Amino acid sequence: KNQVEQSPQSLIILEGKNCTLQCNYTVSPFSNLRWYKQDTGRGPVSLTIMTFSENTKSNGRYTATLDADTKQSSLHITASQLSDSASYICVVGGQAGTALIFGKGTTLSVSS
Amino acid sequence: NAGVTQTPKFQVLKTGQSMTLQCAQDMNHNSMYWYRQDPGMGLRLIYYSASEGTTDKGEVPNGYNVSRLNKREFSLRLESAAPSQTSVYFCASSREQGLAGELFFGEGSRLTVL
Repeated sequence: KNQVEQSPQSLIILEGKNCTLQCNYTVSPFSNLRWYKQDTGRGPVSLTIMTFSENTKSNGRYTATLDADTKQSSLHITASQLSDSASYICVVGGQAGTALIFGKGTTLSVSS
Repeated sequence: NAGVTQTPKFQVLKTGQSMTLQCAQDMNHNSMYWYRQDPGMGLRLIYYSASEGTTDKGEVPNGYNVSRLNKREFSLRLESAAPSQTSVYFCASSREQGLAGELFFGEGSRLTVL
């Protein structure tokens, strides 16, 4: 069964610290992997999209990595800010014509 | 630009009532989608429209109908609401046709069915 698993489920860090969120998937065939940020009460917003051939992609303080061999991805947040408090959702695209598969998300809380 | 606009933002229904969620995008995107988000679960695709004039079922279409009114607008209708349809509904759009494009989401419509 195609699945996307994220860890940890939730995370609390101090402002200014770095953190890394994990995403493991069993989707096959694999097409692309996306990370979205969802603020409380808002819709998801795209952070990065990576295809099979891409190992890393950055968007400001957000850096996503992809290992298609082990079917793992991580999202690294550098020098966290209070505004980084949100849910981060990993999404995997598989076979053409099939729906994207969404993870349940990791809830990040950044405290001062 | 407003992006993807959903109405209403909040709605409370009684079991058996009907309602329509409206969605409009101003980005001239080809594809539009309706997702639902439930606690402890990832977003799930209800219906999508890969281009104007076409609609297709997603993962959880039962109890819903959709209409792609024109290129801008895509509505989701609940004919006879059930408590299991209590959820947050997100409309999304994509420039690409089909299911592989980058998604732009609306702010969500929070529906409670009593």
